[in-house]
Amino acid sequence: AQSVTQPDIHITVSEGASLELRCNYSYGATPYLFWYVQSPGQGLQLLLKYFSGDTLVQGIKGFEAEFKRSQSSFNLRKPSVHWSDAAEYFCAVVTAGNMLTFGGGTRLMVKP
Amino acid sequence: DVKVTQSSRYLVKRTGEKVFLECVQDMDHENMFWYRQDPGLGLRLIYFSYDVKMKEKGDIPEGYSVSREKKERFSLILESASTNQTSMYLCASRTGGTQYFGPGTRLLVL
Repeated sequence: AQSVTQPDIHITVSEGASLELRCNYSYGATPYLFWYVQSPGQGLQLLLKYFSGDTLVQGIKGFEAEFKRSQSSFNLRKPSVHWSDAAEYFCAVVTAGNMLTFGGGTRLMVKP
Repeated sequence: DVKVTQSSRYLVKRTGEKVFLECVQDMDHENMFWYRQDPGLGLRLIYFSYDVKMKEKGDIPEGYSVSREKKERFSLILESASTNQTSMYLCASRTGGTQYFGPGTRLLVL
């Protein structure tokens, strides 16, 4: 069965520090991959997506993610975190039937 | 920009009431989705629709129904609300393989 794993439930970083959120997927074919962000009480906002081509994709708000087929990973990165980045982040993959399967989410807290 | 709107941000209903959650998208997308989001359970698909008057069950359709009379509008219906339907409800529409989400409706059933 297809699945998406985000190993870190909570992460705390200091403002200005770099960030990497991990995402691993289990899917036989070439996946379509996404990262979404959800601020408290809000809907999900698309940060970036990977369909094909360059394995390093740039998104909004200074985020980027790298698709590594050999590791079945699609980790999200940001070189310098801002306090406004505190939110929950979801990795997702389009699977058979063209449905979206989400990871469990990683809650990011930013220390001043 | 893709815009998906949901009729209410917060809703309080009583057990047994019929509840309508409305979702509207302005981008002529054919595919629309309803999810619920609960702590520890993540996002779960309730129903989706490929086109007007078409609907498909998702992973947790029990206790819910949907209506898609117009392309831009996808309604989620709780025929008789129960306390275990207290949740955050998220609507999405899809184009080109990407789903775009609305702001969510937080429903409390007392």
